[in-house]
Amino acid sequence: DQQVKQNSPSLSVQEGRISILNCDYTNSMFDYFLWYKKYPAEGPTFLISISSIKDKNEDGRFTVFLNKSAKHLSLHIVPSQPGDSAVYFCAASAGGNDMRFGAGTRLTVKP
Amino acid sequence: DSGVTQTPKHLITATGQRVTLRCSPRSGDLSVYWYQQSLDQGLQFLIQYYNGEERAKGNILERFSAQQFPDLHSELNLSSLELGDSALYFCASSVAAGDLYEQYFGPGTRLTVT
Repeated sequence: DQQVKQNSPSLSVQEGRISILNCDYTNSMFDYFLWYKKYPAEGPTFLISISSIKDKNEDGRFTVFLNKSAKHLSLHIVPSQPGDSAVYFCAASAGGNDMRFGAGTRLTVKP
Repeated sequence: DSGVTQTPKHLITATGQRVTLRCSPRSGDLSVYWYQQSLDQGLQFLIQYYNGEERAKGNILERFSAQQFPDLHSELNLSSLELGDSALYFCASSVAAGDLYEQYFGPGTRLTVT
């Protein structure tokens, strides 16, 4: 089974508004979570991460929230910019091993 | 289970050696991607194949090569291994050859070079 799921294949938001990308996981052993951003014809690039000992990590316009009881994490982008349009991958690992990725969510930010 | 399989799961070898990593894509997927996950560098795209042909190349060293076979499985060959090649190597597959939307990743092969 897919241990990391991104159930929304796509998301479209207006420039300046908030983008919220969601990710669910099933393995309670996961202790480290990451978000990657990928532009077409390029490899994914690391965006932000969070350890299971935290419930929030912020880096500029990007904030990741972790809800361990719900096995859910989300990435908030505020304010959204057209350059944020990309595919976003959620990933998780247990003890640094066997990183699992979600299938990705395509974010489109409209000017 | 994403449907993408990678073997072996773990590999330990010495510097200067050569190894081959194998990937079987999801049934019906024609495109295969290889990535390297190093400790400090995040996920790095190496190379993409689509239906047997090289499609895109990323940060792949000349010591590394890959191919996709008629049955669509792919192999990544790493030669003259160095300590810095120790990493997790991921394979991913997708139906389309375009961007990486709906890309499914395998569990990875952990390579340790000693």
